[in-house]
Amino acid sequence: SQQGEEDPQALSIQEGENATMNCSYKTSINNLQWYRQNSGRGLVHLILIRSNEREKHSGRLRVTLDTSKKSSSLLITASRAADTASYFCATAKIQGAQKLVFGQGTRLTINP
Amino acid sequence: GAGVSQSPRYKVTKRGQDVALRCDPISGHVSLYWYRQALGQGPEFLTYFNYEAQQDKSGLPNDRFSAERPEGSISTLTIQRTEQRDSAMYRCASSLARLAGDNEQFFGPGTRLTVL
Repeated sequence: SQQGEEDPQALSIQEGENATMNCSYKTSINNLQWYRQNSGRGLVHLILIRSNEREKHSGRLRVTLDTSKKSSSLLITASRAADTASYFCATAKIQGAQKLVFGQGTRLTINP
Repeated sequence: GAGVSQSPRYKVTKRGQDVALRCDPISGHVSLYWYRQALGQGPEFLTYFNYEAQQDKSGLPNDRFSAERPEGSISTLTIQRTEQRDSAMYRCASSLARLAGDNEQFFGPGTRLTVL
């Protein structure tokens, strides 16, 4: 079963705009991670945020975590065509934290 | 190698045949994970190992699925008596640490299994 639910399921924006994707989950977590998957390729780890953190940055990526609402958001600023991909959130529970539970993903399309 | 490798990249088999999927993790990585991904879905956990010990196999769908990592490095996922519903992308990942809060996982390219 999948714990995370991404919203929206699909997002299409113009190059240069910001893209925001959300993830909700159900049980308490140890950490939450975001991954990117380009069409036909493997998953690439983007960022990990621990349950005691509220915000994290990496380049053009900004992730927030609200454990009271059991939700996270991924913001990509100044989007580029190369950002076109599917983005997945994955949660590691407190018990059995090595096991990641992925959501269904958000398909992001950046239009030139 | 530089990353996680999997072989074969594509496997087409007939229903009822056994298949073995191989994963070669990043050198030195303690933990190894197997996932299955259906088209348009996120990866679904199958099982994982720390060193050679299988820690959790709760995601294996049934007893036709098994995995091993006998020397704590390369792992093999075996599916016996394959069925059409087994068709999917099978992904392997590895991570350096087995600490709960530090388990960034590096994924391989996957094996696309098609059961006819």
